[in-house]
Amino acid sequence: KNEVEQSPQNLTAQEGEFITINCSYSVGISALHWLQQHPGGGIVSLFMLSSGKKKHGRLIATINIQEKHSSLHITASHPRDSAVYICAVNFRASGTYKYIFGTGTRLKVLA
Amino acid sequence: SQTIHQWPATLVQPVGSPLSLECTVEGTSNPNLYWYRQAAGRGLQLLFYSVGIGQISSEVPQNLSASRPQDRQFILSSKKLLLSDSGFYLCAWSPRGLGNQPQHFGDGTRLSIL
Repeated sequence: KNEVEQSPQNLTAQEGEFITINCSYSVGISALHWLQQHPGGGIVSLFMLSSGKKKHGRLIATINIQEKHSSLHITASHPRDSAVYICAVNFRASGTYKYIFGTGTRLKVLA
Repeated sequence: SQTIHQWPATLVQPVGSPLSLECTVEGTSNPNLYWYRQAAGRGLQLLFYSVGIGQISSEVPQNLSASRPQDRQFILSSKKLLLSDSGFYLCAWSPRGLGNQPQHFGDGTRLSIL
């Protein structure tokens, strides 16, 4: 079992739909990072959170530390949101902070 | 502001050839530096990290090595590439010693071994 699990693995939505991507983890963490990877491979940071909720534009991220679960929501989805969304947990080990990554959720938003 | 540069963007190499991928960070000092690999259809895997010049920690046994000859330079190398070394390689940095700071990623190098 992976230490960081994302669901769904693939998601196709119609433009305007509300989208939820889930991330569950099994290790103790100091923070969780949501990332967006575009087809070319470049990675953009969306949110880093250790409690509660963060919102930026149409994106909302929540985390429940007790349940070891985070969700990324996209409201009013648009084709330009099509990308792979990756959840990464940040934890301290061997004197430094490291990430464990989920395998990503591939989102395709159709016009 | 801080920036991270990684090159080349794409590379096609024959099996058995050497490899050198370079990553540099600007606008910060003493960063933590990381090399990741993303195999096709798989998640990102940490290969190496460095907390200072000449200090390299390896996360997984493999055919690759890393070096940090200068504070903001991180190099990924191989003497003889294998087919299994194909993948997407990402360099990242984070501020040293500040705990929950996000890592910042380069644009990656797509490596194809023939």
